[in-house]
Amino acid sequence: EAQVTQNPRYLITVTGKKLTVTCSQNMNHEYMSWYRQDPGLGLRQIYYSMNVEVTDKGDVPEGYKVSRKEKRNFPLILESPSPNQTSLYFCASGLLGQAQETQYFGPGTRLLVL
Amino acid sequence: GENVEQHPSTLSVQEGDSAVIKCTYSDSASNYFPWYKQELGKRPQLIIDIRSNVGEKKDQRIAVTLNKTAKHFSLHITETQPEDSAVYFCAASIEGNYQLIWGAGTKLIIKP
Repeated sequence: EAQVTQNPRYLITVTGKKLTVTCSQNMNHEYMSWYRQDPGLGLRQIYYSMNVEVTDKGDVPEGYKVSRKEKRNFPLILESPSPNQTSLYFCASGLLGQAQETQYFGPGTRLLVL
Repeated sequence: GENVEQHPSTLSVQEGDSAVIKCTYSDSASNYFPWYKQELGKRPQLIIDIRSNVGEKKDQRIAVTLNKTAKHFSLHITETQPEDSAVYFCAASIEGNYQLIWGAGTKLIIKP
């Protein structure tokens, strides 16, 4: 089944404790992206990647890191989480070079930073 | 840079009536406009999109219209049903850019 998976789905942590949220897609998509969703603010892009070893900042990259060592995986790293990073996080992927530009979203990771 | 504004933030309609959600964009170079639906607790999913070479696109009960001159596009849902209750997001981008600029979302409530 074609899908985007994220783990964990729910996470409670404390300020300063490094964490990683994994994202994996099995559709051979070149494009991958991370968003955070907060009430009233919609979806804001954190980082995106157009291919392996190619990553770029989105609108709200501060406090986050990403890596794209393999095509299928795009982990989101919070080196020192803070309470303002409490949010719902979505990973998405898409196929480049096609007229159809659908982004396929993962199920979301709800993060609470105490 | 591009900015997308979406209105209203909440829309409540009677079941069976029509719903219209509007978005405006600022960058005249934008030419790809998707709409995503997010049901409660679920992920956003594409429901319809339109490119700037057409003015309207329909898919069963949903349609999207685009006015390039005025730089706005709208989602129309006819004969609304309870399963239409969700948050709807509009977005804009330059085709091939893949950098979607999102509206803030509209919560659509269908009253029985």
